[in-house]
Amino acid sequence: GQQLNQSPQSMFIQEGEDVSMNCTSSSIFNTWLWYKQDPGEGPVLLIALYKAGELTSNGRLTAQFGITRKDSFLNISASIPSDVGIYFCAGRLGGGTSYGKLTFGQGTILTVHP
Amino acid sequence: DGGITQSPKYLFRKEGQNVTLSCEQNLNHDAMYWYRQDPGQGLRLIYYSQIVNDFQKGDIAEGYSVSREKKESFPLTVTSAQKNPTAFYLCASSIFGGRSTDTQYFGPGTRLTVL
Repeated sequence: GQQLNQSPQSMFIQEGEDVSMNCTSSSIFNTWLWYKQDPGEGPVLLIALYKAGELTSNGRLTAQFGITRKDSFLNISASIPSDVGIYFCAGRLGGGTSYGKLTFGQGTILTVHP
Repeated sequence: DGGITQSPKYLFRKEGQNVTLSCEQNLNHDAMYWYRQDPGQGLRLIYYSQIVNDFQKGDIAEGYSVSREKKESFPLTVTSAQKNPTAFYLCASSIFGGRSTDTQYFGPGTRLTVL
């Protein structure tokens, strides 16, 4: 199936630093979502984006739906230890008949050193 | 509390046996989904259901079967035909209707190990 390229694969940062990660595709996506997963748990929805160019914040998290509709970005400001986990992007490729059929990126593993 | 429950958290089975994973939600969501997650990889869609008594194959449906007899429940059976069944299985649900269908909420997952 369609692949999303998520980068970086892993990040090691100091507490207080800002974090940026992104997902790209060769195809146009109609929805972008960002999830966080703790080890052994299900992903938790962070931000959902529905329109090209849309910029949405959730506390220290900010995500953008790329203007080309082929990419999305997630930024975390002033990281804290509880930000540790795996961050996934997900997107919907296609028109109305594909609602709910998401494609997931490979994940970015975030480690925050106190 | 509204949410999605999956049981059990850990499941062990012998090779060649069928096994059924439970997924229940009390969010009043119409749509439900099953995903498989392998180490270091993203989630892959196995089956999804947008309404009771109807379901569709996802990207990796071979070796799996589902049923949707009730709105709240969407059990997944991993059959002996699934060649590599050991994985982390995640159930999700969403409202069914336009873009809201894409906003999926996940359960805690079941880790299946086939010995």
